[in-house]
Amino acid sequence: EVQLVESGGGLVQTGGSLRLSCAGSGFTFSSYAINWVRQAPGKGLEWVSSMSGSGDNINYAESVKGRFTISRDNPKNTVFLQMIGLRAEDTAVYYCAKGGWGTVIDYWGQGALVIVSS
Amino acid sequence: QAVVTQEPSLTVSPGGTVTLTCGSSTGAVTSGHYPYWFQQKPGQAPRTLIYDATDKHPWTPDRFSGSLLGGKAALILSGAQPEDEAEYFCLLYNYGPVGALAFGGGTKLTVL
Repeated sequence: EVQLVESGGGLVQTGGSLRLSCAGSGFTFSSYAINWVRQAPGKGLEWVSSMSGSGDNINYAESVKGRFTISRDNPKNTVFLQMIGLRAEDTAVYYCAKGGWGTVIDYWGQGALVIVSS
Repeated sequence: QAVVTQEPSLTVSPGGTVTLTCGSSTGAVTSGHYPYWFQQKPGQAPRTLIYDATDKHPWTPDRFSGSLLGGKAALILSGAQPEDEAEYFCLLYNYGPVGALAFGGGTKLTVL
C-alpha cells in the first residue's frame, strides 16, 4: 500500500524557517517524482515544487522561488522542503504528492499544517 | 499572469449528469497540458480521479469521466451520488514554464 506521511509542520514566526519531510512507503521511492502542494485555509490548491525521482529535475512556483528548497534522500525514502523567509501568506496545509508512471500526481499524503505568524 | 479557470460552484440532482470544465486564460487547454482532476472532501486530502485528460485510476468510480471539449478539459459526472458532493480541482502540466503545474480555483459541487 502506498503511503506518504508529512511531518515537520508547526507555528513559526514571520521571517523564520521550517523543514517539512515527506516519508514514502509501499513503492520504489527513487523511481518517482514527489511534488509539494499547499492549501491556505479555506482556499484552493497551489503547486509549490516538484523533484524527479533521481533528483536531477527540479521546479518551483514563482511564489516560493529563492525561499524554498526541495531535496530528497532516496535511501531514507524521504523528500524535504526547506522553507526560509516565511511569510504570513505561506500559512497553509502542505501536501506531498507522488508522481506515477507517466503521471504527475497519483497518491497524496494527509498534509502538514504550517502557520506563519508574527 | 495566466490563470486556470473553473466554475466556482455547480449543483446537480441525485442521479443527474453534470459537466465541470477547466479552461485557460491564455488559450485552449490541450492534451499537452495533460489535464488532471482531483476530488477533495472537507477535512480530507485531495484524491486523484483523472489524469491525461481521460485516464482513470483503479479507484475512480465509473460514473466519472474526462474529456477535452471546446478548448477546455472537462470532468463529466453521470449518475451523481450524494457522496460526490465535494470540491473538484483541475491541474494543468507545463503551464507557463516547462514542468510548472497550475491548479484551477476549484468547483464546489453540490448534490441536491
